Amino acid sequence: RKEVEQDPGPFNVPEGATVAFNCTYSNSASQSFFWYRQDCRKEPKLLMSVYSSGNEDGRFTAQLNRASQYISLLIRDSKLSDSATYLCVVILNTGGFKTIFGAGTRLFVKA
Amino acid sequence: NAGVTQTPKFQVLKTGQSMTLQCAQDMNHNSMYWYRQDPGMGLRLIYYSASEGTTDKGEVPNGYNVSRLNKREFSLRLESAAPSQTSVYFCASSAPRVTGEKLFFGSGTQLSVL
Repeated sequence: RKEVEQDPGPFNVPEGATVAFNCTYSNSASQSFFWYRQDCRKEPKLLMSVYSSGNEDGRFTAQLNRASQYISLLIRDSKLSDSATYLCVVILNTGGFKTIFGAGTRLFVKA
Repeated sequence: NAGVTQTPKFQVLKTGQSMTLQCAQDMNHNSMYWYRQDPGMGLRLIYYSASEGTTDKGEVPNGYNVSRLNKREFSLRLESAAPSQTSVYFCASSAPRVTGEKLFFGSGTQLSVL
């Protein structure tokens, strides 16, 4: 079982739609959580951190559920420019720190 | 703002050839990393340097060497390239208290080994 799992998609949604991605992690020593965005043939860029209390940044909301070991990303009012791959990232604290990337979920927003 | 700069952007090698990927950051970050990204897989850490003068192996270090030349620069060397090293390579840096948090990436190097 992968340490961090994401549905690869693709998710095809119309402009204005609300879309949600989930990411599950297997190690309870997971300490920090992030979502990154990666455009085609570009580098990943930090989108937002994820906290147990939830974190909102404009149209984007991230949630962490430690009991069920998953994080989520909700995008409201999707824009064409939201089309990208969204990477879930988990940092483990097992004596040393280890950063684990999910393989990503592809999103296509269509007019 | 330059951020993280890595060169070259593209490279084609023959099996057995060597090359060095260069990376520099101007954000005064302590930690620097080299990742590779392959289709269907998450980014995997090759090597990292938590601070100037230190380097440590990541998840997939075999076939690679690194040098933390100074605080700004962190290079990745392939001594004898193999087709399995065909990948996209990203350099990254970070400053926060926890190594691996809030990474800033370079634009990547597409490497093909024939």
